[in-house]
Parts: sequence; structure tokens; C-alpha cells
Amino acid sequence: EVQLVESGGGLVQPGGSLRLSCAASGFSISNYWMSWVRQTPGKGLEWVANIKHDGSEKYYVDSVKGRFTISRDNAKKSVYLQMNSLRAEDTAVYYCARGESWFDCWGQGTLVTVSS
Amino acid sequence: QSALTQPRSVSGSPGQSVTISCTGTSSDIGGYNYVSWYQQHPGKAPKLMIYDVTKRPSGVPDRFSGSKSGNTASLTISGLQAEDEVDYYCCSYAGSYAWVFGGGTKLTVL
Repeated sequence: EVQLVESGGGLVQPGGSLRLSCAASGFSISNYWMSWVRQTPGKGLEWVANIKHDGSEKYYVDSVKGRFTISRDNAKKSVYLQMNSLRAEDTAVYYCARGESWFDCWGQGTLVTVSS
Repeated sequence: QSALTQPRSVSGSPGQSVTISCTGTSSDIGGYNYVSWYQQHPGKAPKLMIYDVTKRPSGVPDRFSGSKSGNTASLTISGLQAEDEVDYYCCSYAGSYAWVFGGGTKLTVL
């Protein structure tokens, strides 16, 4: 079964850092672009970042550039999102998703709350 | 990277057809054929329903179809069923390796 499982979310103070992890199973992530998408509570979806198969290309939404870093370890079948200088507006459920042009497999999401 | 515009809600009766619009610009929807649609149940992850404007993933009923005209993409659901009453989101490539979603539409089956 194709599955993505996120972890690492939690409560963090403004200005703090958090590292999200996404563990894949049931397929080889080395064959796919991988992405992070977030959803503000009660609101819509927002694409955050994506990374090419081999990690050679990474792209970000403007609002997180310079603060967030996406990475991957294909040997560990994992994708990561390092989030620094967190702001209240970063509060959201963060989903790991498979794909670049469309997202055909999603994790269950991990909640990140930025609050003092 | 402005969000795509979707109606907040649409409704239809069982058996009828409904269309959800997704309006962007020539820099996103109008410029590329990379529009996808997602269905989301409350508290659950989104599910891919349509990709590349018109293509349907394996397992998605053929009641769901996608189209595009100019800067507006559409998702049409025919033969409306009670189980279709959830949220729908569109997504488009926006150039410069960026992707943008719509604000979401709540479908009500009357």
C-alpha cells in the first residue's frame, strides 16, 4: 500500500524552529518529486515547497523562502521540511504529498501551531 | 502567487450535474495545462480527482470531469450523489516552479 506518514509537528513559539519528517512506504520515492502542502485551520490549501527526485532542485512559495528548507533522503525513504523563524501565520496542518504537477498521494498531515 | 478564485459554495440535487469554477490568470491556468482538482472530506487528506485539466486517475468515477477555457478551469460532477457533499479544491502551475491552489468550494447536495 502506498503511504506517507508525517511527524514532527507541535507547538512552537514565534521565531522558533521545527523539523517535519515524511516517511514513505509502498513505493520508491527516488522516482518522484515530493512536495509539502499546508492547510490553515478552516481554510484552504497552500503549496509550500517541492524537491526533485535526486534533491538537485528545490522550490518554495515566496512566503517561506529563506526560512524553510526541503530535503530528502531516498535511502531512508524520507522527505523533510526544516522550518526556521516561524511566524503565527505558519500555523497549519502540513501535508507531505507525492508529485510535482499533481499530488496523487497524501499523508494524514501534522499540525504545527506557532504561538506564545 | 495569488490564490485561484473558487465559489465558496455550490449546490445541486441528487442526480443533477454541478460545475465548480476555478478562475486564475494567464500566468497560471491560462498559461499551462497543469490544472488538478482535489476532493477533501472533513479532517482527511485531499484526494486527487482530476489532473492535467481533464485526466482522471484510476479509481475515480467517470461522473467527475474537468475542462478549461481561457483563464478558468471547471470541475463537473454529474449524477450527483450524497457522498459528493464535501470540499473541492483546484490547483494550477503558476510558472517559475510554483503552484497555487484555489480557496475551496463546499458542495451541498440538496
